[in-house]
Amino acid sequence: IAGITQAPTSQILAAGRRMTLRCTQDMRHNAMYWYRQDLGLGLRLIHYSNTAGTTGKGEVPDGYSVSRANTDDFPLTLASAVPSQTSVYFCASSVAQGGVGGYTFGSGTRLTVV
Amino acid sequence: QQQVKQSPQSLIVQKGGISIINCAYENTAFDYFPWYQQFPGKGPALLIAIRPDVSEKKEGRFTISFNKSAKQFSLHIMDSQPGDSATYFCAAPFNQAGTALIFGKGTTLSVSS
Repeated sequence: IAGITQAPTSQILAAGRRMTLRCTQDMRHNAMYWYRQDLGLGLRLIHYSNTAGTTGKGEVPDGYSVSRANTDDFPLTLASAVPSQTSVYFCASSVAQGGVGGYTFGSGTRLTVV
Repeated sequence: QQQVKQSPQSLIVQKGGISIINCAYENTAFDYFPWYQQFPGKGPALLIAIRPDVSEKKEGRFTISFNKSAKQFSLHIMDSQPGDSATYFCAAPFNQAGTALIFGKGTTLSVSS
């Protein structure tokens, strides 16, 4: 593969459950990001990581946590899911900080919290 | 914290016409402004980007116009085609350090044949 792999593709989750969305890239990009996409609201930045070992909070970080133990993986964890976290989640990466040169996006994870 | 305002929310253009989408941003010391294109069921993909040492950048039928003093930039699609029907997002740096991008709410473009 060449790009970003997200898993699962879709998931229905009971409220209150813990869930980790996986994101792996094979491009050796330094920076990685998580966005959620909701109809009418566009893409909103949840967390980002400019290099392995560092992370930062985005526009809507509450209820989510991330880790960046190595270059390739950037999992997103919902500690206790709530219905308002129903969304399509996109992971992205870029060679340079801030997406200069372009983001590569994954295909997304559609999450429904019931 | 940066905000990006994009308009219009939706746009219908006849084949061969010009599509224009506008974005406005707030203060930033990190200048990089891209446009992304998204088809249904897919992740967004970079379309064209500008670093405002220039006021305009053209790639094929797609042009970005940048007005730094007004803090605005726009996407022009010339000779619009049905295959251009998609959702378009502008983006701007999230913060002064430019550690990530934030996106406008998107414009759904429909090109009628």
